[in-house]
Amino acid sequence: GDSVTQTEGPVTVSESESLIINCTYSATSIAYPNLFWYVRYPGEGLQLLLKVITAGQKGSSRGFEATYNKETTSFHLQKASVQESDSAVYYCALGEGGIFFGDGTQLVVKP
Amino acid sequence: EAAVTQSPRNKVTVTGGNVTLSCRQTNSHNYMYWYRQDTGHGLRLIHYSYGAGNLQIGDVPDGYKATRTTQEDFFLLLELASPSQTSLYFCASRDWGDTQYFGPGTRLLVL
Repeated sequence: GDSVTQTEGPVTVSESESLIINCTYSATSIAYPNLFWYVRYPGEGLQLLLKVITAGQKGSSRGFEATYNKETTSFHLQKASVQESDSAVYYCALGEGGIFFGDGTQLVVKP
Repeated sequence: EAAVTQSPRNKVTVTGGNVTLSCRQTNSHNYMYWYRQDTGHGLRLIHYSYGAGNLQIGDVPDGYKATRTTQEDFFLLLELASPSQTSLYFCASRDWGDTQYFGPGTRLLVL
């Protein structure tokens, strides 16, 4: 079936360090899935961080980037230099319409 | 700004009780979704709808009914609540670019 596996949290990094949260997917019922990263900041609702709908392309937002790699079925989230305000729970998701979510990765950025 | 609201925000009921969760969107989106999220896990799709009067079954529909009365309103019904349905419930609407907009969630406790 369709599924998403992402880095198990919590992930703790120091401010200004680089970050990668791994995400791999299996899309058996969707030929060309859209890929998403959603984020939930403390005290806020779940919101879209970035999305990519075409394989090979890169999405970016708020300094985060992710590249849709169909060959490795991956959509890793990266940031060169994290800030304390990036502390949140990040969800990788795939789908077309209704979407499949990973279990989420809590990111803790230490000052 | 487009919005998705949910009510109630918290609900406690007993086993066998009858619960209705409400969702309203002012996004003018056709698609609406109901998800549940259990601690440490991602969101799982219960039901969704692409318009008033329409209902589609999601991945974890057992024990749940849903009804879409208007474009704005989507209800989730638990007619015989069980402790296994204790969870955090999210409603969402989706735009044509496949981005989902989430409500703040409803915490349901079934004793």
